[in-house]
Amino acid sequence: NAGVTQTPKFQVLKTGQSMTLQCAQDMNHEYMSWYRQDPGMGLRLIHYSVGAGITDQGEVPNGYNVSRSTTEDFPLRLLSAAPSQTSVYFCASSYTGQGNTIYFGEGSWLTVV
Amino acid sequence: KNEVEQSPQNLTAQEGEFITINCSYSVGISALHWLQQHPGGGIVSLFMLSSGKKKHGRLIATINIQEKHSSLHITASHPRDSAVYICAVGGATNKLIFGTGTLLAVQP
Repeated sequence: NAGVTQTPKFQVLKTGQSMTLQCAQDMNHEYMSWYRQDPGMGLRLIHYSVGAGITDQGEVPNGYNVSRSTTEDFPLRLLSAAPSQTSVYFCASSYTGQGNTIYFGEGSWLTVV
Repeated sequence: KNEVEQSPQNLTAQEGEFITINCSYSVGISALHWLQQHPGGGIVSLFMLSSGKKKHGRLIATINIQEKHSSLHITASHPRDSAVYICAVGGATNKLIFGTGTLLAVQP
């Protein structure tokens, strides 16, 4: 059981470049989400999905796009990378509703220069 | 003021000590999560609480819904417990509000 698989683990981008962070889970979870983690701040929600074909914005969505074509996959796209997007990104999944354990990916360290 | 406050922000302990990390929140919740993050590593769920107390090995988590407060205790601490411990709260939906974490260092 792989859990939540997130790639790449490390990436350096130049300002203006685009890239996609991949996230896949094999637990048939309906809820998937992307967070960014910055020093001195709690994890902040970027985008989330409650099922295939359904996505919505979180707290800090600007500069990011998501799609959910399958239950398993929830990629995060940076459209035109900016230094402010230098961060650690985490994908997470769980069954819908509160009271369910949340599973996180290993994280992706992104530096935009 | 943050909706989820953790204390202390940093904690250094000697191996074997009893450790308490606190989490206070100001919103109504359905569940509270305690998470562990090792340096440079991923995030692992330790506990999910909606009431009372849970125990797993040397870790104990308690929650007081009326006082909007939760504690994470580590008994007989060990250097491998060194990590960031994060409190997160959620309401009716899956959305979570995270604390900024408590950095714990356990020295041998």
